[in-house]
Amino acid sequence: EADIYQTPRYLVIGTGKKITLECSQTMGHDKMYWYQQDPGMELHLIHYSYGVNSTEKGDLSSESTVSRIRTEHFPLTLESARPSHTSQYLCASSESGSFSGANVLTFGAGSRLTVL
Amino acid sequence: DAKTTQPNSMESNEEEPVHLPCNHSTISGTDYIHWYRQLPSQGPEYVIHGLTSNVNNRMASLAIAEDRKSSTLILHRATLRDAAVYYCILDRGSTLGRLYFGRGTQLTVWP
Repeated sequence: EADIYQTPRYLVIGTGKKITLECSQTMGHDKMYWYQQDPGMELHLIHYSYGVNSTEKGDLSSESTVSRIRTEHFPLTLESARPSHTSQYLCASSESGSFSGANVLTFGAGSRLTVL
Repeated sequence: DAKTTQPNSMESNEEEPVHLPCNHSTISGTDYIHWYRQLPSQGPEYVIHGLTSNVNNRMASLAIAEDRKSSTLILHRATLRDAAVYYCILDRGSTLGRLYFGRGTQLTVWP
């Protein structure tokens, strides 16, 4: 049973629309992440958060923005979608201060965005 | 980010063991070795991780070379549900989850 939820799973929209991809986790994890993945390709980290009111850009530059007002919620927003934003967006979370010192990520099922 | 090298694809028959190799020659002393897998149309799923010693859990075993420059994920009896892309990743712990996912190994399991 999933402990991290992404909505919508699939979204097809026109160019110029504003979209928000939702991500919520019920595990109380402090750390949350957004990855972007094109078919058959590697995952690229685009945003991450250490906790409430903390957000950082990842390794791949993205026009999207994120917010972290509540521990459990980490939405991603595109103000004006373009066809180049067509991709799968994966949200993940992990626990701070894990016993082993390793970062074990729990992923959502992903949101597949198509911009026409 | 430290990177790993994996074969693009591997095949196995159902109920046979599968050994998925990974090279990580630039590993540092505090890097954890993680394995995740991604089923079609799903997000990656954690499989196992280790630091120096071999590790076993209900999903798989992880064998780590003595010099830590390579590791092998072992699925003891492959099932059709194990068909997925398997990612070998180095985790530096202190980088707070900035894990680098390469293209992984596509495992095909034949009935």
